[in-house]
Amino acid sequence: NAGVMQNPRHLVRRRGQEARLRCSPMKGHSHVYWYRQLPEEGLKFMVYLQKENIIDESGMPKERFSAEFPKEGPSILRIQQVVRGDSAAYFCASSPELAGENEQYFGPGTRLTVT
Amino acid sequence: GEDVEQSLFLSVREGDSSVINCTYTDSSSTYLYWYKQEPGAGLQLLTYIFSNMDMKQDQRLTVLLNKKDKHLSLRIADTQTGDSAIYFCAEAYSSASKIIFGSGTRLSIRP
Repeated sequence: NAGVMQNPRHLVRRRGQEARLRCSPMKGHSHVYWYRQLPEEGLKFMVYLQKENIIDESGMPKERFSAEFPKEGPSILRIQQVVRGDSAAYFCASSPELAGENEQYFGPGTRLTVT
Repeated sequence: GEDVEQSLFLSVREGDSSVINCTYTDSSSTYLYWYKQEPGAGLQLLTYIFSNMDMKQDQRLTVLLNKKDKHLSLRIADTQTGDSAIYFCAEAYSSASKIIFGSGTRLSIRP
């Protein structure tokens, strides 16, 4: 059973471009969480999705950021018109349908650099 | 409010015990975690404790929870060079909610 997969692992974008980050949850997992880690800081929650639904987006910036988790395919975190302050590591985590112990399994992250 | 605080650095001698401390503010948190992050890597769940427990031991790891003071600690016995990493304290309210992380404690090991 493969773990949580994220791609790309490293992404470089110029200011104003779009960044698309992909997350494939573990097999059988229907809950996906996105977190952002700024340099030298802890992870900050961004958004929690179940298949086709956004459950909690309280940590997502109101503009330029969006997330989806379609019925088929990976979850996508999309950042439009990137700015230097978006440079960070973006981690995805997944958990199963009935996560009684809330064990979120983390992917290796995508490191976004905005030049 | 939701806030998790921990000291930024800890240096210990190889073979000694490491104790990493953490305080949190949300008394309704049910799950309290310790994660390990090695350079350039993702997060590895080391251990967790439910809020109705005082202590949990798992091989070299001992977690202590003082719910009254909202204080959580992680003790690593016989610290090895492979334990060098950043350790994150974290809390969650329920089994399907976001996890709130501290800023991490960077553990370095002296020979």
